[in-house]
Amino acid sequence: GAGVSQTPSNKVTEKGKYVELRCDPISGHTALYWYRQSLGQGPEFLIYFQGTGAADDSGLPNDRFFAVRPEGSVSTLKIQRTERGDSAVYLCASSSDEGNTEAFFGQGTRLTVV
Amino acid sequence: AQSVTQPDIHITVSEGASLELRCNYSYGATPYLFWYVQSPGQGLQLLLKYFSGDTLVQGIKGFEAEFKRSQSSFNLRKPSVHWSDAAEYFCAVGARGAQKLVFGQGTRLTINP
Repeated sequence: GAGVSQTPSNKVTEKGKYVELRCDPISGHTALYWYRQSLGQGPEFLIYFQGTGAADDSGLPNDRFFAVRPEGSVSTLKIQRTERGDSAVYLCASSSDEGNTEAFFGQGTRLTVV
Repeated sequence: AQSVTQPDIHITVSEGASLELRCNYSYGATPYLFWYVQSPGQGLQLLLKYFSGDTLVQGIKGFEAEFKRSQSSFNLRKPSVHWSDAAEYFCAVGARGAQKLVFGQGTRLTINP
């Protein structure tokens, strides 16, 4: 596609529920990143995929968070047993494999846990 | 560990005035440095980046930034701001290109008419 697409743009869920956030990267980009941006803060790294595999998941806060990219394109961030502290904007970005010199960001999914 | 400090949380300038946004980083090796802009409800857009070479880099929308290794700084500048520049600006550092960026807290820019 023309840019990184994230769906849904907004998600409201109840505490304890499971949510999935989807990211469609730019066509042909092999690297994909997830970040979380809390109110008034800069984005914080969560996980990085190179192809289908998670090259670095050191930013995932705990085992309630999981992400997959089974075919090396679309990625899904999954959050189990959501907590109010999970409320944030979840940003996805992608970059080409050529030195990863620029990450292109989507508009994000605003997650609100009530 | 890498870190980025943007000392100014909020800056207000008049339209047509010059602008400088400060960024200080902490990193043990040669950093990859970036400035991103985020308008309300929008994703992050890359303004410019520094990997190596000339320490003064030009970006989009008339922005430039200067890498000063001795001061661990990468300040963003624009000679004359426009009302459309009002946004949140983020400085970021990466260990290897755009992988695993560490962002600063951001500086919110307000433009007075």
